[in-house]
Amino acid sequence: EDKVVQSPLSLVVHEGDTVTLNCSYEVTNFRSLLWYKQEKKAPTFLFMLTSSGIEKKSGRLSSILDKKELSSILNITATQTGDSAIYLCAARTGNQFYFGTGTSLTVIP
Amino acid sequence: NAGVMQNPRHLVRRRGQEARLRCSPMKGHSHVYWYRQLPEEGLKFMVYLQKENIIDESGMPKERFSAEFPKEGPSILRIQQVVRGDSAAYFCASSPGEAGGYTFGSGTRLTVV
Repeated sequence: EDKVVQSPLSLVVHEGDTVTLNCSYEVTNFRSLLWYKQEKKAPTFLFMLTSSGIEKKSGRLSSILDKKELSSILNITATQTGDSAIYLCAARTGNQFYFGTGTSLTVIP
Repeated sequence: NAGVMQNPRHLVRRRGQEARLRCSPMKGHSHVYWYRQLPEEGLKFMVYLQKENIIDESGMPKERFSAEFPKEGPSILRIQQVVRGDSAAYFCASSPGEAGGYTFGSGTRLTVV
């Protein structure tokens, strides 16, 4: 059965902390892994990873894929209250997407 | 608990036909959201429903698209008189309340030929 598991389920940190969110996947015909930030209604696309070991960065956020371990991490450095959201990862296989249940991140001042 | 179930997984329709996409939320979830996958990998919000109520349909095209979430049965996203531009992956998510805890389905890929 194809599945994506995220950990931790929730996380509370103080502003300025660095967090690491985990995503592991077991899917057939893996194509890519995607990270989203879910706020209110619609997830915002963050990263798409297809190659192992190549870090993608966007400001304070970065992500890397490990195809050997079937996992990915999302790092957020110097967290801000605006980073509070649910972070979703999804594994794409062909035309199907399998989403994890998300990690709820709360950043307190 | 099978999670959020979407069916069919793949749907092929000819131009002008109707497409019906179904979403069964997780047990205990009474909130359903529909999204359309954009080519740039983003998810575009379409509509948010609770049982028998449309809460927010600000992302729905004004014509040909409708959604319902009846008291019994799955939520339905209905597209009338489909056109080629409707071809996309459509996802639904459910949650137990407004504050999150979203669970996504695996999507329905609609192809209009």
